[in-house]
Order: sequence, then structure tokens, then C-alpha cells
Amino acid sequence: LAKTTQPISMDSYEGQEVNITCSHNNIATNDYITWYQQFPSQGPRFIIQGYKTKVTNEVASLFIPADRKSSTLSLPRVSLSDTAVYYCLVVDTGRRALTFGSGTRLQVQP
Amino acid sequence: DVKVTQSSRYLVKRTGEKVFLECVQDMDHENMFWYRQDPGLGLRLIYFSYDVKMKEKGDIPEGYSVSREKKERFSLILESASTNQTSMYLCASSPPGGPGTEAFFGQGTRLTVV
Repeated sequence: LAKTTQPISMDSYEGQEVNITCSHNNIATNDYITWYQQFPSQGPRFIIQGYKTKVTNEVASLFIPADRKSSTLSLPRVSLSDTAVYYCLVVDTGRRALTFGSGTRLQVQP
Repeated sequence: DVKVTQSSRYLVKRTGEKVFLECVQDMDHENMFWYRQDPGLGLRLIYFSYDVKMKEKGDIPEGYSVSREKKERFSLILESASTNQTSMYLCASSPPGGPGTEAFFGQGTRLTVV
């Protein structure tokens, strides 16, 4: 299983762009990179998934370099409601279950 | 909207009791999962099931068992609850594996074993 490493915590202010980087040096050819968001007292929620280059949706962008050994989740113009824990996962398409690490706790301040 | 419903938000049980945590999903998903979440440890996979009556151990199955008699329902069983099983338990479901599939989580059950 490809292990992921991401910062334990980050701080930001409202209106700023936040970039959370995740390293996954042992990622396999068939693996996808997926990010989940978790608010206190709730289950995680899917944000975005990608294989390579850049993926964008209404919530975030995901940047993946050519070697795929890392990825960056970009949250544009964060608000207080973006305060949450963000998990980077490498999804093994040959294994049905998701393996979560400890995540990055993002605190957005006014 | 996909809905994953866990039967209780909060439970308090005594050491040695048999505990059942129930999870129901309404999207006809093949895959269902049980995780526990503890401070500083993130989410850890206990068991998952990819079909009725099928189950696979996750990373921390010791002290737990599961049951999936119907596609929409996945139960986690603590045969003899212990204080180290005090935790937040999260159930999830997903359609068959592959790119683009996502897991949908319930609200969680906070279990306290005293």
C-alpha cells in the first residue's frame, strides 16, 4: 500500500488560497490520488480525485506532477467553513477499501 | 442524495457486553466499510464487505466481527466490549471499485465502554 505523508496542521486566513501537499513516494501505476474533507462530528466527504496533471471542480483543484510522487490540494479563497481535516489517500484500484492517514488539520481564521 | 445511516449517534455500554452497531445505506452499493477514528490516529479500517455474506478483514479486526445478511445493511459486532474499544465508529458505502468511485460516510457512532 502506498503510504502518504502530509502536514499535521496548517493555519490560514479568510480569502487566502491554501495549498496542502501530500507525498506518496511508493504510488503504483494503477493508483489514483483522492482527497477527503472531514468536519467535526461528521464522517469524511469526498472532495476530488485525480491520476495526473490537474483536476478542478467547484470545490478545489488537484495538482499532480509527472512523477506522481506528490500531489497538492488547492483551496481557493478559503472561508471559516473550510476549517476541517483534509485527508490525502492513494486509492488502490485493486483493493476496494480506502486507507486513511492522520490528515491535515486546517484552521481558517477571520 | 446517498444516505448512510448509523443507528445511534451515542452509545454507552459496559465492559463485557455484546454490542451491535448497525449501518444502512440506500444506494444499492456493493461495498460497505467499518472504520474507527481515534485522536491522532486518523481513520482505521476494521472490516469491509463487497457483497452479501462476504467480508474481509481490515487493518484492525481484532475484537470485532461483522455481519452482512442484506445488501443495504452492514453490522459491526463487539463480542465482548472493552474500554479500549471506546471510539468513534464510522460506516461507509461505495459502488464497485474503480476510478472515480467515492465512499459515502455516515454521521458516526460515538461509543463509550465503561
